[in-house]
Amino acid sequence: DAKTTQPTSMDCAEGRAANLPCNHSTISGNEYVYWYRQIHSQGPQYIIHGLKNNETNEMASLIITEDRKSSTLILPHATLRDTAVYYCIVRGRHGSGNTGKLIFGQGTTLQVKP
Amino acid sequence: DVKVTQSSRYLVKRTGEKVFLECVQDMDHENMFWYRQDPGLGLRLIYFSYDVKMKEKGDIPEGYSVSREKKERFSLILESASTNQTSMYLCASSSWDRGTLMTYEQYFGPGTRLTVT
Repeated sequence: DAKTTQPTSMDCAEGRAANLPCNHSTISGNEYVYWYRQIHSQGPQYIIHGLKNNETNEMASLIITEDRKSSTLILPHATLRDTAVYYCIVRGRHGSGNTGKLIFGQGTTLQVKP
Repeated sequence: DVKVTQSSRYLVKRTGEKVFLECVQDMDHENMFWYRQDPGLGLRLIYFSYDVKMKEKGDIPEGYSVSREKKERFSLILESASTNQTSMYLCASSSWDRGTLMTYEQYFGPGTRLTVT
């Protein structure tokens, strides 16, 4: 699975959009970009994933560059409850020893401030 | 909603004890995973299972074993607990599409914080 690079930490004002970047320059054609977050003392929570098109759900939007070497997770109106560690993970399909396991890096600690 | 439950939130055991951590999911998922999380090291995969009675070693299986007798339940066993196994243990489950080989998102339990003294 491709390696990802994220900033260690970011701040965001409550009510503003939070834009979390991720670099994955070695991503291969069949690998997906996943985002998870972990609020303190809880298990990680799935947010969104995509292959090459931009994606949006009730939690966030995912923007993937055309060359797929980087992506941005957007929380459109951050709240204090969005304070968490955000993980960007690149993962291929099932099979050949890649049975769905996730490789978590250090992630980005997002602090939403009032 | 998918629910993954773990038998305990907090557990304190003594060195040398046999420890069982239980995980149950209610979404009929094929895949189940055990991770441990330590400060500065992130989440690391211990074992995973993609079917009943099937198991595969993850990145750090030493000192652990697993059991999956039923599809909904995946147990992590510490045969003889040691202090370096003090950690947060997280269980997860997911399904996958055999046609496209696409593995769907993982759902995590709340975690068990194990302290071995």
